[in-house]
Amino acid sequence: DQQVKQNSPSLSVQEGRISILNCDYTNSMFDYFLWYKKYPAEGPTFLISISSIKDKNEDGRFTVFLNKSAKHLSLHIVPSQPGDSAVYFCAASPGGYQKVTFGTGTKLQVIP
Amino acid sequence: DTAVSQTPKYLVTQMGNDKSIKCEQNLGHDTMYWYKQDSKKFLKIMFSYNNKELIINETVPNRFSPKSPDKAHLNLHINSLELGDSAVYFCASSPSGTSASEQFFGPGTRLTVL
Repeated sequence: DQQVKQNSPSLSVQEGRISILNCDYTNSMFDYFLWYKKYPAEGPTFLISISSIKDKNEDGRFTVFLNKSAKHLSLHIVPSQPGDSAVYFCAASPGGYQKVTFGTGTKLQVIP
Repeated sequence: DTAVSQTPKYLVTQMGNDKSIKCEQNLGHDTMYWYKQDSKKFLKIMFSYNNKELIINETVPNRFSPKSPDKAHLNLHINSLELGDSAVYFCASSPSGTSASEQFFGPGTRLTVL
C-alpha cells in the first residue's frame, strides 16, 4: 500500500528555469512532510519540511507547497541549477514517534 | 569527518550465510534507524532505536536483528540470507525520535545475495 506517491519517475528542466516536483499522499493522518535529495552512491540528505498547519515553507531557492484538501504537496526549485540534478524523495509522517513513509523518488535532471 | 558511517559499503554473499552491517554516528543523536531500499526504489523503515531502546519495529523477518551497544552505534545482523534480501540498506540518525526531526543518512550498504 503506497501511501506516498511520486508519479513522475523523472523530470528534465533547463538551467535557470523552475523545477516542480509533485507528491500525493493518501493517509489523512500525515502531519509532517519532508523532502530529501539523493545523489548516486550517497544517502538521502534533508532538504526542506512543512507541517500541516502551514501551506508554504520557503528556504532559499526551495519552496514546498502543501494542499491538504487535495492531499498534495510540491517542491519548487527556482532557479534550477545543474547541481540540483539528483533524485528527490517526498516523505510524510503522522508525527510523534511514528515512522516516516517515503515515496519512490523523482529523478531531476537540470540541463545546462 | 563522516557524520553517519556504514561498513561495509558493498557486501556480496551466498544464500544461507549470516552477515552484519555496522553503523556509527558522531552527531550525538539520540535516535538511529535502519532503512531498506529495494529494487523498486522504495525506501522503507525497518527499525528505529531511541537511546538504545527499540521504538519502531516494522514487519521485518526475524532473521533481521538490530543491536545497539550504545547511542552512537546501531548494527544490523541478518541470518540465513535470502535472494530477496538483496537491496541497499541505509542507516540514519536524528536528534530526537520524533518524525518531524531531520534524519541524517549514511552512504548505504549494497547487499547482493547470490
